[in-house]
Amino acid sequence: QQQVKQSPQSLIVQKGGISIINCAYENTAFDYFPWYQQFPGKGPALLIAIRPDVSEKKEGRFTISFNKSAKQFSLHIMDSQPGDSATYFCAAINSGGYNKLIFGAGTRLAVHP
Amino acid sequence: ETGVTQTPRHLVMGMTNKKSLKCEQHLGHNAMYWYKQSAKKPLELMFVYNFKEQTENNSVPSRFSPECPNSSHLFLHLHTLQPEDSALYLCASSPDRGQGDEKLFFGSGTQLSVL
Repeated sequence: QQQVKQSPQSLIVQKGGISIINCAYENTAFDYFPWYQQFPGKGPALLIAIRPDVSEKKEGRFTISFNKSAKQFSLHIMDSQPGDSATYFCAAINSGGYNKLIFGAGTRLAVHP
Repeated sequence: ETGVTQTPRHLVMGMTNKKSLKCEQHLGHNAMYWYKQSAKKPLELMFVYNFKEQTENNSVPSRFSPECPNSSHLFLHLHTLQPEDSALYLCASSPDRGQGDEKLFFGSGTQLSVL
């Protein structure tokens, strides 16, 4: 119930392509779904987040799609660039209290020129 | 200095050594966290301190001992570690644990190798 399942484990995309990373959860009490981006030698940094009252959130080339009924959410990176090469983590939380973020296992994205 | 700073960046230690990891945050936050990051696994929350009080210990072995002298500093004291403890140890901070872990800011981590 507390798990967030993330796929794929690794992803190779050509420059200019679309990168898609998927996550699924079981706990319907989760109400905040962030994505973190981690470059080699750095800690994770918040990239974009969504709440379940909307089905999509876009920030630049990054879009979260959220399907509440399927309990799934995904990150789309449009026009992927070599600088997007990083590990991406989805996460979920029942916010507003002493609850912890539940992370997915991560997706290592490589964007080839 | 800004953000969350961790030292050392890399640490190699034998199983009988005693060492400490240090974390300092310059964000004015009141909650600090230790996470363990292993390859191909979700980040594992180890300890949480809120206003210097420990609020969470996720069944972490006693060979890991946290210390939080104030809201800006956090330590992780290590002794008698095992090779399986080799991982990236991440420190994070947030404004206030009571408001949830939504606004986590991570440091760059300490890459620990136990020989």
